Amino acid sequence: KQEVTQIPAALSVPEGENLVLNCSFTDSAIYNLQWFRQDPGKGLTSLLLIQSSQREQTSGRLNASLDKSSGRSTLYIAASQPGDSATYLCADSCGQSRSMDSNYQLIWGAGTKLIIKP
Amino acid sequence: DAGVTQSPTHLIKTRGQQVTLRCSPKSGHDTVSWYQQALGQGPQFIFQYYEEEERQRGNFPDRFSGHQFPNYSSELNVNALLLGDSALYLCASISFRMKEAYEQYFGPGTRLTVT
Repeated sequence: KQEVTQIPAALSVPEGENLVLNCSFTDSAIYNLQWFRQDPGKGLTSLLLIQSSQREQTSGRLNASLDKSSGRSTLYIAASQPGDSATYLCADSCGQSRSMDSNYQLIWGAGTKLIIKP
Repeated sequence: DAGVTQSPTHLIKTRGQQVTLRCSPKSGHDTVSWYQQALGQGPQFIFQYYEEEERQRGNFPDRFSGHQFPNYSSELNVNALLLGDSALYLCASISFRMKEAYEQYFGPGTRLTVT
């Protein structure tokens, strides 16, 4: 059974720092891995998606990496800003193919609550 | 391009009642998944609908049921509500037919409070 763990559960850093959020998963047979942002009481915004054949994806100040062999993904945030304060969740979809028979439901970590202090 | 929409945004129900939540997928998407997110936790997969059929189901009791319509929109029904059903209910959509990597797009959620 796939399990996804995020460390740390909470993180508070001064504005301007570069930081790394960690996500680990127990089953390396994933189809893709997504990082999401969730503001308090709100829905989920997709930040980055890494397919199983890829090693990293970048969007602006965000960079996500994927190492299937070690069961890890990291989200790197450069030059953090107070507006980056939110909960960041990672989720992977298991299965090896795009067929409807594949189990590609998302399995989630509990999230890292990030606070960027001005 | 309309994203995923959900209604209502908030709902308060009493134990034992029934509730129906609604979701319209992102334009061009044909598959809808429902998730339950309790406070402070990651979402839990409830079920997924494609071609108007339930294709995958998580570990939720039969009190949770759903439906997908020909226009790909979906409903989540919960019967005999319990206090523990209080949560944020999220709808996500993907396109199975299109050549995408199954990036899931989420709606804003429906906050259900059971008293």
